[in-house]
Amino acid sequence: EVVLTQSPATLSLSPGDRATLSCRASQSVSRYLAWYQQKPGQAPRLLIYDASNRAAGIPARFSGSGFGTDFTLTISSLEPEDFAVYYCQQRQHWPPLTFGGGTKVDIK
Amino acid sequence: EVQLVESGGGLEQPGGSLRLSCAASGFTLSTYGMSWVRQGPGKGLEWVSSIVPGGETYYADSVKGRFTISRDTSKNTLYLQMISLRADDTALYYCTKNFEESTTNMIFHYWGLGTRVTVSS
Repeated sequence: EVVLTQSPATLSLSPGDRATLSCRASQSVSRYLAWYQQKPGQAPRLLIYDASNRAAGIPARFSGSGFGTDFTLTISSLEPEDFAVYYCQQRQHWPPLTFGGGTKVDIK
Repeated sequence: EVQLVESGGGLEQPGGSLRLSCAASGFTLSTYGMSWVRQGPGKGLEWVSSIVPGGETYYADSVKGRFTISRDTSKNTLYLQMISLRADDTALYYCTKNFEESTTNMIFHYWGLGTRVTVSS
C-alpha cells in the first residue's frame, strides 16, 4: 500500500501569502497524483490531476508539481476562499487508492 | 450537468446492514469508473470501493467481504451494500465519478454531497 504523508498538518497564513503544501509517497507513483480541496461542510473538489494538470474551472493561482515520491501544491497568492483542507491522492498502485492525511490552511 | 445524489444512510446497530444508493444524472454511469469514498467524523478521506467500466470491482481491506459495490444501468444508479456493520464504519459516504470515460484512471472528478452512516447501539 502506498502511504502518502502530507506536511505540514496545518499551515497558518494570511491572505495574499504564498502557500506551499507537500505530499510524499512511500514509493514512486510516477506522475499519478491528484490534489483535492475540501471546505467545511462541503464535498472535496478536484484541483489538480496527474501532478500538474489543473481541473476545469480551477484558478491559475493553484499549481502542482513533482514526480515519483515528492509532490507540491502551490497557491501563489491566497484568497479568502482558499482557506480549507487539502488532500493528495495516488492512483499508480491500486487497490487500494490512498489519500494523504490532509493539510489545513488556516488564517493567521 | 453531472449530478450525484446519495441516499440510504442512517443509524444502524453493529452487525446490521444498509444499502447506499447514488443516483447519477448527466452522464452514463456504466462508462465511467465510480467509487465510494468515506470520511469519518473529524477525519480524512478513505477510499472504500470502486467499480470500473468493465464491471470489475475493488475494495479496501477494511470492508472486503462485508461491502458490495454494484450498479444498475437501467436506473443509472450506483449502490453500496453494507453488511456486518461496525462502529468504525461510521462516516459520511461520498459517491464519486471518474475524470475520464472508459478508463481505470481513478481520479475523483465529481462528488456527491454524501450520505451519513452511523453505526451505534
